[in-house]
Formats: sequence, structure tokens, C-alpha cells
Amino acid sequence: DSGVTQTPKHLITATGQRVTLRCSPRSGDLSVYWYQQSLDQGLQFLIQYYNGEERAKGNILERFSAQQFPDLHSELNLSSLELGDSALYFCASSVAQGRTGISEQYFGPGTRLTVT
Amino acid sequence: AQTVTQSQPEMSVQEAETVTLSCTYDTSESDYYLFWYKQPPSRQMILVIRQEAYKQQNATENRFSVNFQKAAKSFSLKISDSQLGDAAMYFCAYLNNAGNMLTFGGGTRLMVKP
Repeated sequence: DSGVTQTPKHLITATGQRVTLRCSPRSGDLSVYWYQQSLDQGLQFLIQYYNGEERAKGNILERFSAQQFPDLHSELNLSSLELGDSALYFCASSVAQGRTGISEQYFGPGTRLTVT
Repeated sequence: AQTVTQSQPEMSVQEAETVTLSCTYDTSESDYYLFWYKQPPSRQMILVIRQEAYKQQNATENRFSVNFQKAAKSFSLKISDSQLGDAAMYFCAYLNNAGNMLTFGGGTRLMVKP
């Protein structure tokens, strides 16, 4: 158990809908990262938040957005869903921003999203 | 942008034997971190080992060790005394200099034969 929690574990929804995935980082971790794992794209970095502020963006679609709240939990919002958005979405957390201190990212169990 | 390549989609090893998984990467940065993550059938991503690019000494964690060749941009993982529980997907990952973005390779599926 990494200490990172994600809800829900599974989500099935229809095309065009909007969903919210939730992540709670490990106690003491200020950085939260979102990744998408799909069969055709592999594991891809989406976005990072540090202490409530967006710090880095990867291959995140405009239909997707995220935020980190004062209690440090984070939510990933996916809208206008398409079949190709079906994937495993991981949240990870780390203590520090950047390379100061410990840089390992610890992953949550993931949310499996199926778009039908 | 950095890229990470794992050229072995699948590997198999006999229980108790040793296996080496390959990884190469491309970067213009001089300082970075490299990781190996394990993903068992449960799909959980588990950190196996890390290597700081500025360290010449290869990292070791129990039965897991790496061979880090910075000039060749190579980062292989050696698993000694393989166990059935080692069967999983293994991903090589590069952490950029800013420390905020992990770039993953395509993964290597390791099968362990009893």
C-alpha cells in the first residue's frame, strides 16, 4: 500500500458524459501527479500540482482539467468523453516539488474508466 | 523531450535464475533520475529502484540492481534469484531535471517459470 488513495476504483460511463476522479496523496506529500495508462498510448504524464498550484502539464487534452484543494486532495475532471478516453488513470504523489529532497513518486491503485 | 525505450516486450526466466531487463533513454539533460517500476496483475505501480544520474555507483535493493551507463544512456535492471512474485510488467522511467515529469518506456512483461 503506497498510501495514495484513489476513488472510484472503476467507472463506467457513456460517450459525451463528464466524470470526476479523486485522489488523496500520502500524508505529508505536497505534489500530486496524474497519469493515463492506455493500450495504445502507454503510460503518459498528464499534469502536476504542487500545494494547490499547477506546476507542469504533459499530454493533457483540453477536455480534461484538474485541481488540487487546500487539504491537498486532487480531482481530475474528464468531460465530453470519447471511447478513446477509456484507460487506467493513476494519481501519484511526492514530498517535494522538483528535485529538492526525495523525488520518488508513489502511485495510487488507479481508477479504471470505461467509456461505452 | 525525453524518450525511454524498452526493446524487450517480453522476457521469461526460470525461478531462482537471474534476468536482465534493458532500457535506453534519450535526453539532453545532464542531471536526472531514473527508476524502475513494477506493475503486477493488480495494476498497482510499485517503485522497485532508483538511480541518480550524478552518482556513478549503481543502485541496489536486495535482489534488484541496476547497470547505469550514463554515456551510453543505458539503464538495465538485473533481478537475481527470481521468484514467482516477480512476474509483472516492468517499466523504466525517466524523471526530468525539473523533477516533475516521469516519462515511461513501453514496458517489459516478465514471466517466471517454476
